[in-house]
Amino acid sequence: GDSVTQMEGPVTLSEEAFLTINCTYTATGYPSLFWYVQYPGEGLQLLLKATKADDKGSNKGFEATYRKETTSFHLEKGSVQVSDSAVYFCALSTSNQFYFGTGTSLTVIP
Amino acid sequence: DADVTQTPRNRITKTGKRIMLECSQTKGHDRMYWYRQDPGLGLRLIYYSFDVKDINKGEISDGYSVSRQAQAKFSLSLESAIPNQTALYFCATSVATGGAAGGLLTQYFGPGTRLTVL
Repeated sequence: GDSVTQMEGPVTLSEEAFLTINCTYTATGYPSLFWYVQYPGEGLQLLLKATKADDKGSNKGFEATYRKETTSFHLEKGSVQVSDSAVYFCALSTSNQFYFGTGTSLTVIP
Repeated sequence: DADVTQTPRNRITKTGKRIMLECSQTKGHDRMYWYRQDPGLGLRLIYYSFDVKDINKGEISDGYSVSRQAQAKFSLSLESAIPNQTALYFCATSVATGGAAGGLLTQYFGPGTRLTVL
């Protein structure tokens, strides 16, 4: 069945470091791919999305490219800030279902 | 005002009690979902509803029931709560916005309800 696998955390980085959180997926058909972010004590918020192969989603300095050949949607940011500390979820959707990864906790230290 | 609201935000209850979690939305979306979040397991789908007359079981529906009272309201009930139902519960809404084969189900989440069953 369809599924999402993302790198396990927790991840701890210093401010201004480069961030990569890996995400791979298994799906039949042509899913859409998402990254959601969950700040402490809050619900999930959409961070970025991509709907077809080679699309790049971007928001708030974060980017992810939909790679069909490697079935991946890795999240990257060139310079993280303390305010980026949160849990990040990779997800995919088909026409009727939504699948989440297990989440990766990121802590950015000053 | 928040588009997706959940009540209560926190609840402590005892084993065997019946409890209802409520979700309301002002986004006008047809589709609504209930998830639970557990450490290390991510989000797991409990039930979902594509409209008022359409209710579907998710991955972990045992021990739960739902009611879609209106387009804007979707309630989750635990008929007889047990300790392993202690978790963070999220309601979400969506509308299918794409015509492609994969669709585009962007989901919008409420703030969550932290439930503790003693």
